[in-house]
Order: sequence, then C-alpha cells, then structure tokens
Amino acid sequence: GAVVSQHPSWVICKSGTSVKIECRSLDFQATTMFWYRQFPKQSLMLMATSNEGSKATYEQGVEKDKFLINHASLTLSTLTVTSAHPEDSSFYICSASGQGRYGYTFGSGTRLTVV
Amino acid sequence: EDKVVQSPLSLVVHEGDTVTLNCSYEVTNFRSLLWYKQEKKAPTFLFMLTSSGIEKKSGRLSSILDKKELFSILNITATQTGDSAVYLCAVAGHAGNMLTFGGGTRLMVKP
Repeated sequence: GAVVSQHPSWVICKSGTSVKIECRSLDFQATTMFWYRQFPKQSLMLMATSNEGSKATYEQGVEKDKFLINHASLTLSTLTVTSAHPEDSSFYICSASGQGRYGYTFGSGTRLTVV
Repeated sequence: EDKVVQSPLSLVVHEGDTVTLNCSYEVTNFRSLLWYKQEKKAPTFLFMLTSSGIEKKSGRLSSILDKKELFSILNITATQTGDSAVYLCAVAGHAGNMLTFGGGTRLMVKP
C-alpha cells in the first residue's frame, strides 16, 4: 500500500523559533498533500491542502503566514510553523494522494511542543 | 459544510464484550466513509466504505454503510484490551480527497 513518511516524529522548540516538518510519499507521486492538526483529546482538523507546484489552500481560521506549506515536488511537502508559540503545540499529521491513492493513509505524525 | 458525528463519545467494556460504534454524516457529494483506529500516534486505516449494505470485515472488526440513512457502524466482537483506542470516522466529500473527521469514540476495554 501507499507509504507516507513524516519527519521528525517529535520536536521541542523555543517560543519564537520556526520548525519545519517534512512529509514524503515513498512509493507514489503525490499530486496533493493534506496537513491536519490534532489537539489533545480532539479529532483531526484539516489545516490545508497543497497541490504540487501551486499555492496551498488553507482552511478557515488557519493563518497562511504562520503555517507555510511548500509542495515543490511530487514526493515532498513541508509545513513550516513560523514564530512558534506554546499554543501551536499539537500533533501534526500529513496524508498524500495521487496515482490512484486517495490520501487516506497518514504519515506517522509529528508531535510539536513549544516551550 | 460537511459534518461527521460519532457516538458514543466514550465507552468502557470488559474483554469479550461486543461493541458497536456509530457514525452519522452530512456531506456534499459523498465519495467514501473511512474508519481509523488511533492509539498514541497517527491513525491507522481500518476500512473504506463506498457502497450501501456491503459489510466489510477484518477479523473481529466489521463495518457497514447505509447511504440512505447517512450512517455507518463499526462492530468489534470479542473485544480485547488491545482494542482500547480512539476510533475515528471520516468522510470524503465534494472537495477532492480531503477528509472530514468525526470527534472520535474513545474505547477502553478492561481485562
């Protein structure tokens, strides 16, 4: 099945710094990648959808200048949390779709803690 | 706006019990409904349902979709402590392959 790799698994950063999270499709070309966020004891919420080579589409309430998404190749999308604050601490998960894969398989997730 | 509602919010059972988890949805241009199991990390895929009335089965887990009444159920028979997790239901609708998730059902299976 489709394999989506996400890195890092966890990261702790200081308030005000930026953090980059990578999402890779390992065995298919991902024309679309989805970024989700999950706060403790809550469900997954879609943050943004990125299509290869074009700007990401952000969901309402998600700041595009704070959560920078780059999808420059068919196998890699990155999410950069800029000027991170403690309230950005969350579990970030990506999924990818393309070549008949529907984006229903998730990466392993990244647990971000901002101190 | 697409909407997915799961019930119950949480459930505590004993090993060997059978549980039924519910998922109802309102979505524009329904494409598929998915069930996931989430323990401490990312959700793991269980089932994808696209057609009404066709049961999908994997071991002790099974699921079925009713597109007329807009709901799905996930059954787990002979529960084990390893079934303890949050079970998430998600629907793919009009906006491509993005998923709208329900709030999840937290299942705890006691020995």
